[in-house]
Amino acid sequence: KAGVTQTPRYLIKTRGQQVTLSCSPISGHRSVSWYQQTPGQGLQFLFEYFSETQRNKGNFPGRFSGRQFSNSRSEMNVSTLELGDSALYLCASRTGNYGYTFGSGTRLTVV
Amino acid sequence: GIQVEQSPPDLILQEGANSTLRCNFSDSVNNLQWFHQNPWGQLINLFYIPSGTKQNGRLSATTVATERYSLLYISSSQTTDSGVYFCAVDDGATNKLIFGTGTLLAVQP
Repeated sequence: KAGVTQTPRYLIKTRGQQVTLSCSPISGHRSVSWYQQTPGQGLQFLFEYFSETQRNKGNFPGRFSGRQFSNSRSEMNVSTLELGDSALYLCASRTGNYGYTFGSGTRLTVV
Repeated sequence: GIQVEQSPPDLILQEGANSTLRCNFSDSVNNLQWFHQNPWGQLINLFYIPSGTKQNGRLSATTVATERYSLLYISSSQTTDSGVYFCAVDDGATNKLIFGTGTLLAVQP
């Protein structure tokens, strides 16, 4: 069974640009959640989607948004990038109340 | 919200030594997981353990839900065990994981 797939693995963007990250969950998993990891703030929850609906959102500005498609694949978008958005973005999928499985992450650098 | 504390923050071991990592959480949880973050950043799931004891090779974990703590045991440590270990919980209502700040483990040959 394929794991959680995140693309791209690395990105370099300029301040003010926008970026879209992609996450394909494990087949059959309908819940997809996103996390941001920075040295200063650790791992923080961004949002969670289930069956194309956002069920929960973390404490991030509106520049951070996401969506989920009917095949459960999810994208997150960050608009008007700031230097502080440089981070490792991790996606996780789960089924039922079982554990979360994470992808390899996308490392975003904003210059 | 739930608070998660991990100790120790840093740990240096000689190869072959044993260690115990601790995770305290402030409220009832529906899910507790231990992860190892590899050098490339991926979080590798070690245990899904909301309660009880599990073992996987040299690693084992115990969660005492009534006392709100979990322990991760690493025996006969190897240099490949180096990295950051995270404990994460969710309360079953908010569909999100809350992570501790991690334990940075360095195993020296």
